[in-house]
Amino acid sequence: GEDVEQSLFLSVREGDSSVINCTYTDSSSTYLYWYKQEPGAGLQLLTYIFSNMDMKQDQRLTVLLNKKDKHLSLRIADTQTGDSAIYFCAESFGSARQLTFGSGTQLTVLP
Amino acid sequence: EAQVTQNPRYLITVTGKKLTVTCSQNMNHEYMSWYRQDPGLGLRQIYYSMNVEVTDKGDVPEGYKVSRKEKRNFPLILESPSPNQTSLYFCASSPRYSGNTIYFGEGSWLTVV
Repeated sequence: GEDVEQSLFLSVREGDSSVINCTYTDSSSTYLYWYKQEPGAGLQLLTYIFSNMDMKQDQRLTVLLNKKDKHLSLRIADTQTGDSAIYFCAESFGSARQLTFGSGTQLTVLP
Repeated sequence: EAQVTQNPRYLITVTGKKLTVTCSQNMNHEYMSWYRQDPGLGLRQIYYSMNVEVTDKGDVPEGYKVSRKEKRNFPLILESPSPNQTSLYFCASSPRYSGNTIYFGEGSWLTVV
């Protein structure tokens, strides 16, 4: 089956940039997503990228997609303590909008 | 306001006692699905539905049932819950022609003792 992999933990200092990486295996995926989950909360869609794009920027967020290597990254500039959360990458495929999620990366922002 | 509403949000139940987690969306979406979230495993799809009376298994369907009698509702049924179904459950919906707008409910914390 399809696999989406992420490292489990990342710590950065406040004000630094964070880069969260994700690899996926399904080359037929149509959209790739980044979701944020704060403690005790649901999933918040941060951004998404269509599979024929290389990059997407949205304020402090930059998404890079390398289709050849099946690698997706999320860069958060000027990371703040409010960015501490679990970040999930996910890919969608098929007509039923089925999402395959990575295990999530716990981002901890240190003062 | 566009919403996916799940109930209950929190539930502690006992092994074997049937329960239903309801999911309702007010956006007239065709697609709905259920996921469970477990530590270190991310979210895994349980069941999905492409329209009324059309449902199919996801990656982890064992121990669950669903029904889609109306477009807005997609209940998740645990006929005989077991402790390994203790998890955080999310319902999601999306329209047929827009793959970048998938809406999630706020989650239902279920503990089976």
